[in-house]
Amino acid sequence: EVQLVESGGGLVQPGGSLRLSCAASGFSFTNYYMTWVRQAPGKGLEWVANIKQDGSEKYFVDSVKGRFTISRDNAKNSLFLQMNNLRVEDTAVYYCAREAVYYDFWSAYSDSWGQGTLVTVSS
Amino acid sequence: QSVLTQPPSASGTPGHRVTISCSGSRSNIGSNTVNWYQQVPGTAPKLLIYGNDQRPSGVPDRFSGSKSGTSASLAISGLQSEDEADFYCATWDDSLNGRVFGGGTKLTVL
Repeated sequence: EVQLVESGGGLVQPGGSLRLSCAASGFSFTNYYMTWVRQAPGKGLEWVANIKQDGSEKYFVDSVKGRFTISRDNAKNSLFLQMNNLRVEDTAVYYCAREAVYYDFWSAYSDSWGQGTLVTVSS
Repeated sequence: QSVLTQPPSASGTPGHRVTISCSGSRSNIGSNTVNWYQQVPGTAPKLLIYGNDQRPSGVPDRFSGSKSGTSASLAISGLQSEDEADFYCATWDDSLNGRVFGGGTKLTVL
């Protein structure tokens, strides 16, 4: 059974940093792109970042470029999101998800999701 | 504002059919496949449709997806009370070089 378990969320002041982790199990982690998606309280889903299987390609939504970094440790089946210079508008539940590919990268979809971890940015 | 436009709400009575639209542009829906997710409030999203019209195993055939030009639709037939949830469309946007989601549609089963 595919399992994704996020951790590392919490309360942080504006301008602060936080590192989210996602522990993966039940599948061959090295075979999949991985992604982070967030959801602000009462709002819709927003894609944050993607990372290729070997970490050689990374994509970010414009609003986090230069502040967030996505990485992975394939030996430990783990995905990370380093969030720096956090803003109030980054407050959200952050989900990690596994990316399956229909026929190419641009047809990818998130077929398994974690339960999410809440990040609150407030003074 | 979301790049993909969905109606904020939809409703239907048990046993009937409802459709949810998702409107985009040439750089997103017009160029790439569309996926749909279902989210019951307080829980993680669940994949409903991928590749415009493909159902993952375990998703009832009451759910179907389609795409035409720069728009996509999700149809739910034989509506059931447990279908009440928020529904999101998503695809890749070539101009933004990133994944984009619709704003979500809240489905109410009357």
